[in-house]
Amino acid sequence: QVQVVQSGAEVKKPGASVRVSCKPSAYTFSNYYIHWVRQAPGQRLEWMGIVRPNGGNTEYAQKFQGRVTMTRDTSTSTVHMELSGLRSEDTAVYFCAREEGETYYFDLWGQGTLVTVSS
Amino acid sequence: IVLTQSPGTLSLSPGERATLSCRASQSVNSDYLVWYQQKPGQAPRLLIYGAFTRATGIPDRFSGSGSGTDFTLTISRLEPEDFAVYYCQQYQYGISGYIFGQGTKLEIK
Repeated sequence: QVQVVQSGAEVKKPGASVRVSCKPSAYTFSNYYIHWVRQAPGQRLEWMGIVRPNGGNTEYAQKFQGRVTMTRDTSTSTVHMELSGLRSEDTAVYFCAREEGETYYFDLWGQGTLVTVSS
Repeated sequence: IVLTQSPGTLSLSPGERATLSCRASQSVNSDYLVWYQQKPGQAPRLLIYGAFTRATGIPDRFSGSGSGTDFTLTISRLEPEDFAVYYCQQYQYGISGYIFGQGTKLEIK
């Protein structure tokens, strides 16, 4: 079954960092870009950035520049998103989602990872 | 660019027609206008891309239309499984990246 599987829920203290992983399954890892989108409680979806498996180049939304790092590990076909300097407003469900080339839409999403930031 | 969806909540009965609106604060490229459906506790599901092209497996009761600043998602005859939150999304080259509307909740009347 074609899917993307994310790592489990995390609870972090303010100021800490969190790393969320996303592993594609049953499709060719290198053929798709991976985006990260988050959804705070009751809020709209918010795009964070993109990582391209071939070459690993990234683009980040201006809001997250300096705080987010997206990487890919080709040996394990896994994509990681690390967000640092966590604050309570970062409490959200974080989704990875794939894009096939420059299509500008996300045709497959991970199940989401809840990150809770609380002291 | 800001995407504004209306109404915020739409209450209808199964079998009725639903019309959901997505308005952009300035003219956008309809090639990059997308609609998703999201049910509670689930990830969004791609419905429509390029403003009017249905994604694989999406029933033909879902249709998209529009251009410029005004886009519409229409569900011709509501099925019980269609009650969910619907988001529009636009790609904007540059630092804005991908922008989402605030969503329309479609609830059973």
